[in-house]
Amino acid sequence: GAGVSQSPSNKVTEKGKDVELRCDPISGHTALYWYRQSLGQGLEFLIYFQGNSAPDKSGLPSDRFSAERTGGSVSTLTIQRTQQEDSAVYLCASSLEWGINSPLHFGNGTRLTVT
Amino acid sequence: SQELEQSLQSLIVQEGKNLTINCTSSKTLYGLYWYKQKYGEGLIFLMMLQKGGEEKSHEKITAKLDEKKQQSSLHITASQPSHAGIYLCGADGGAQKLVFGQGTRLTINP
Repeated sequence: GAGVSQSPSNKVTEKGKDVELRCDPISGHTALYWYRQSLGQGLEFLIYFQGNSAPDKSGLPSDRFSAERTGGSVSTLTIQRTQQEDSAVYLCASSLEWGINSPLHFGNGTRLTVT
Repeated sequence: SQELEQSLQSLIVQEGKNLTINCTSSKTLYGLYWYKQKYGEGLIFLMMLQKGGEEKSHEKITAKLDEKKQQSSLHITASQPSHAGIYLCGADGGAQKLVFGQGTRLTINP
């Protein structure tokens, strides 16, 4: 597609429910990133993928968070048993390859509200 | 790990005025990005700097990386309402993580 697409754009869920956030990167981009942006906070790095592989999952806030990427394209970020502190905007980005020479292209994010 | 500081959380300027936003690193920068974010949207890539003393311009926005590669500045000339938004700097945070500063929210008053 023309840009990084994220769905849904907004998600309201009850505490304790599971949610799945989707990211469609730019076609041909091998690197994919997930960030979280909370109100008044900066961007918190969660995880990145090189192809389908996530070399480092230590940025995920807890074991309730998981992410996968299949076919070197679409990625999903799953949050199990959501808590109110999970409320934030979840941003996905992709780049042609990993590294400082390859700028990130961001989607518009999924705004998650846990009630 | 790399930490980026944007000491100014908010900046309000009158339309037509010049302004500068700074980004300071705790370590040597081997590459720095500047992004802009509007409310409800993702980040838009502005510029990337890699070399000490490097300067790049796009329209009325100029970004510089100092010779020591620990500080970058973003300068906007003759600001316009379209320049309003949050400006974030980003860099390699080590361990293959790209990290960002907290952002500077720019408001342009008519």
